[in-house]
Amino acid sequence: EDQVTQSPEALRLQEGESSSLNCSYTVSGLRGLFWYRQDPGKGPEFLFTLYSAGEEKEKERLKATLTKKESFLHITAPKPEDSATYLCAVRYSGGGADGLTFGKGTHLIIQP
Amino acid sequence: DTEVTQTPKHLVMGMTNKKSLKCEQHMGHRAMYWYKQKAKKPPELMFVYSYEKLSINESVPSRFSPECPNSSLLNLHLHALQPEDSALYLCASSQVPRGHTDTQYFGPGTRLTVL
Repeated sequence: EDQVTQSPEALRLQEGESSSLNCSYTVSGLRGLFWYRQDPGKGPEFLFTLYSAGEEKEKERLKATLTKKESFLHITAPKPEDSATYLCAVRYSGGGADGLTFGKGTHLIIQP
Repeated sequence: DTEVTQTPKHLVMGMTNKKSLKCEQHMGHRAMYWYKQKAKKPPELMFVYSYEKLSINESVPSRFSPECPNSSLLNLHLHALQPEDSALYLCASSQVPRGHTDTQYFGPGTRLTVL
C-alpha cells in the first residue's frame, strides 16, 4: 500500500483556470510534508514545507495547505510556465534514515 | 543560496567500468543524500550522510558505494553496474536531518546510462 498518494496523476488546464492538486498520506508521526516542482530531466525544485495541520504557505500563484491526512497545492490563475510535475513527499518517524518518501507526482500541463 | 551542484551532467558507462558521481554544497548543511529516479517514477532514497555518519537503504546493491570526504562533498562510486541501473541520480542536502530546518534541496542530477 502506497504511503503517499497524489491525485490526479495528470491534469490539463487552460491558462488562468485555477485548480488543486491533492496529496494524501497514511504514515504515522508526520515530521514534515514537502512540495517540489520537477521539470523533465532536472532535479526537484523546492516549493514548500508544512509541519502542522492547519498550516498554510503561499508563493506567487501557489498555496499549500495541510490537514491531518492530506495536503493540497492550490494553483491560482496558472500560466504555461507552471507546467511541470509536482511532487509531494513526507518525512515521518519510523521512515528510516531521515529520507523523504515521495508520491508518484501530478503531471500538470497549462495550455495557453 | 540554495545551490547543490552535481558532476557530470551525463555519464555513459559499460558494465565493467568504474566511475564516480560528485556532489557539492556550500550552504553549511550537515546532511547529504543520494536518490535514484527512474523515468516517470518518484525519487527513491539510497544513502544518507548525517553529521558524517552513513545510513543505507538496505535494498541498494553493493555496486553503489557512497563516500563523504567532508561535510560539503558527497561522492557515489559505481562499479560493475547493470543496464537497469540507468537512471537520474540526484543529490540533496539539508541543514539538519531532523527538525524544522530539514528541507532537502536537490541538485540538477546526473543522467547515467549503463550499456
